Amino acid sequence: AQTVTQSQPEMSVQEAETVTLSCTYDTSENNYYLFWYKQPPSRQMILVIRQEAYKQQNATENRFSVNFQKAAKSFSLKISDSQLGDTAMYFCAFMKPGDDKIIFGKGTRLHILP
Amino acid sequence: NAGVTQTPKFQVLKTGQSMTLQCAQDMNHEYMSWYRQDPGMGLRLIHYSVGAGITDQGEVPNGYNVSRSTTEDFPLRLLSAAPSQTSVYFCASSYSRILTGELFFGEGSRLTVL
Repeated sequence: AQTVTQSQPEMSVQEAETVTLSCTYDTSENNYYLFWYKQPPSRQMILVIRQEAYKQQNATENRFSVNFQKAAKSFSLKISDSQLGDTAMYFCAFMKPGDDKIIFGKGTRLHILP
Repeated sequence: NAGVTQTPKFQVLKTGQSMTLQCAQDMNHEYMSWYRQDPGMGLRLIHYSVGAGITDQGEVPNGYNVSRSTTEDFPLRLLSAAPSQTSVYFCASSYSRILTGELFFGEGSRLTVL
């Protein structure tokens, strides 16, 4: 069974700093998808970024980028020039193609301090 | 465009009572699912559906029933509420029967069972 581990329950950084959230996963599959979801306080969860395991290039969405290390089974999220609106719970997630389930990690609560 | 709508947003039940959490989406999404979110546990899949008339169990299905009579609606029923079901419940949908990973979430329903 696949597992997703987020080792940082909570983090705080100053506004404008760069922060990296860690995620590791365990799978025997060669092809899969990885995601980062953001859950702002009292707001709906949204997809931040997605990575396909067969792509070597790291995904980027504006200030959000990932460091995907397939051999190490690591998938970290980097937020550059952090903003107050980045304060949220962030979930790392895994999905096997053809499966009907997305497996989420336990989340990292990120505080961006003014 | 309302997206995914959950009702009620808050509910308090007594042990043994039954209730239904409603979920409706207006995006013609094939895939719908229910998650529960508990502190330190992340998101755990309860039940999911890949289309009208089709449902299946997730990671933590015990104590919950679902049905999918229409594409738009996916209610979650608690037959006999227990304190262990105190949680925040999220409904999420995806546009394809074949899950691609991008889930659209509702705002959540906070349930307390006394």
